[in-house]
Amino acid sequence: DAKTTQPNSMESNEEEPVHLPCNHSTISGTDYIHWYRQLPSQGPEYVIHGLTSNVNNRMASLAIAEDRKSSTLILHRATLRDAAVYYCILRDGTGGGSNYKLTFGKGTLLTVNP
Amino acid sequence: NAGVTQTPKFQVLKTGQSMTLQCAQDMNHEYMSWYRQDPGMGLRLIHYSVGAGITDQGEVPNGYNVSRSTTEDFPLRLLSAAPSQTSVYFCASSYIRGNSPLHFGNGTRLTVT
Repeated sequence: DAKTTQPNSMESNEEEPVHLPCNHSTISGTDYIHWYRQLPSQGPEYVIHGLTSNVNNRMASLAIAEDRKSSTLILHRATLRDAAVYYCILRDGTGGGSNYKLTFGKGTLLTVNP
Repeated sequence: NAGVTQTPKFQVLKTGQSMTLQCAQDMNHEYMSWYRQDPGMGLRLIHYSVGAGITDQGEVPNGYNVSRSTTEDFPLRLLSAAPSQTSVYFCASSYIRGNSPLHFGNGTRLTVT
């Protein structure tokens, strides 16, 4: 059963911020929240991850709710190259089966309008 | 540093044929895994490995075999291909730590007729 829930699709305009939500109400205290994206006809690529605190990198920002039951991937200025499927997954930091049997749902298809 | 390399990029098989999809990584990652992706679907885990000599099943293991004799390589074998195995296959690797990002290959597009 799905550990994370994401909207099927979202739309944005170029150069505007995009907030992609992810719900993970059954997250455990040792689960890291990872985000990946998949451009058309390519393999998924890592975007960002976090545990409790908000995180920033050159690609995006990750905002994690205080109770950790949801998170938001923020693209500060969407470009046409950001059009992709975005996946949110959980990965157990303690190791073991739940760390290895990583489940990717259908993700969120982001459309960026010029 | 090539990352995760998958070969071939494309393959067409007839029903009943066998083949091996190759996956190699040069990052000394302990964890390697195989996913399949069908049109409009997410990624489904086939098999994974946490080190040489250690493999385990994912969500959809039937019809596929794996082995891990070295850290670098994790081949996926289809012993008797079926049309239901038509899909895009992705290999991924990472360190086994939970905060380690997965690195994916560019995929193998397999068609079984």
